[in-house]
Amino acid sequence: SQQGEEDPQALSIQEGENATMNCSYKTSINNLQWYRQNSGRGLVHLILIRSNEREKHSGRLRVTLDTSKKSSSLLITASRAADTASYFCAKRSRSNYKLTFGKGTLLTVNP
Amino acid sequence: DADVTQTPRNRITKTGKRIMLECSQTKGHDRMYWYRQDPGLGLRLIYYSFDVKDINKGEISDGYSVSRQAQAKFSLSLESAIPNQTALYFCATEKTGDADTQYFGPGTRLTVL
Repeated sequence: SQQGEEDPQALSIQEGENATMNCSYKTSINNLQWYRQNSGRGLVHLILIRSNEREKHSGRLRVTLDTSKKSSSLLITASRAADTASYFCAKRSRSNYKLTFGKGTLLTVNP
Repeated sequence: DADVTQTPRNRITKTGKRIMLECSQTKGHDRMYWYRQDPGLGLRLIYYSFDVKDINKGEISDGYSVSRQAQAKFSLSLESAIPNQTALYFCATEKTGDADTQYFGPGTRLTVL
C-alpha cells in the first residue's frame, strides 16, 4: 500500500498566487520529504522535515508537519510559471526506514 | 555531467524480449534504487541495494531482476517483457546517513508492444 496521499491531485492557479498541497500518511515516520518532477523527468528533492520539527522554510517553500494528524503541507508562495510541475511527498518509515512516495499533485501555474 | 545517468533513455521492445536498463552514478553513494512510474500511481519501488552484492525486493519485484556488481552501477532486467511493464523507470541513489535525500536519474521510458 502507498502512504502519503497528496491532495489535491491537480491544482491550477495564476502566477503570483500561493499554492498549497497536502500529504497524509498512515504509519510513524522518521521524516517527510517533498520532491518535484517536471514532465517526464527525474524527481528533484526540495525539502525535508523531520518528525520532531513542525515547520521548515526554504526560499519560497514552507513545509509544515502535524504528526498528531499524520499530515504535512507544502506551500509555494508567489508562484511562477516555472513552478509548473508534479509535487510528491515521500515518507521515511520509522520502522523499516523505507522511503515511500505518494501519487503526487500536478500544479499548473498560468502566466 | 549528470551525477546519475540511465541508459537507454527510450526503448521500444516486443513482448517476450529480454531487456536491461542500466544506471550509473558518480556520486559515490552506497544505496541505489529502481522505481517505476505509471500515470496516476506515483512511484513504486522495484528493487533496492544498500551495497555491492546486497539486493532487496521492493513492493513490485515480480518479473524483474537486478544486479549490483559495482558500487557505481545498478542494472534492472526484464527477463521476458510484457505490455503491462510499459512505464517510466527511474534509478535513484542515496548516501547512508546523508540527510536521507534521494537523487534521481533522468528516467527510461520503456514501451513493450
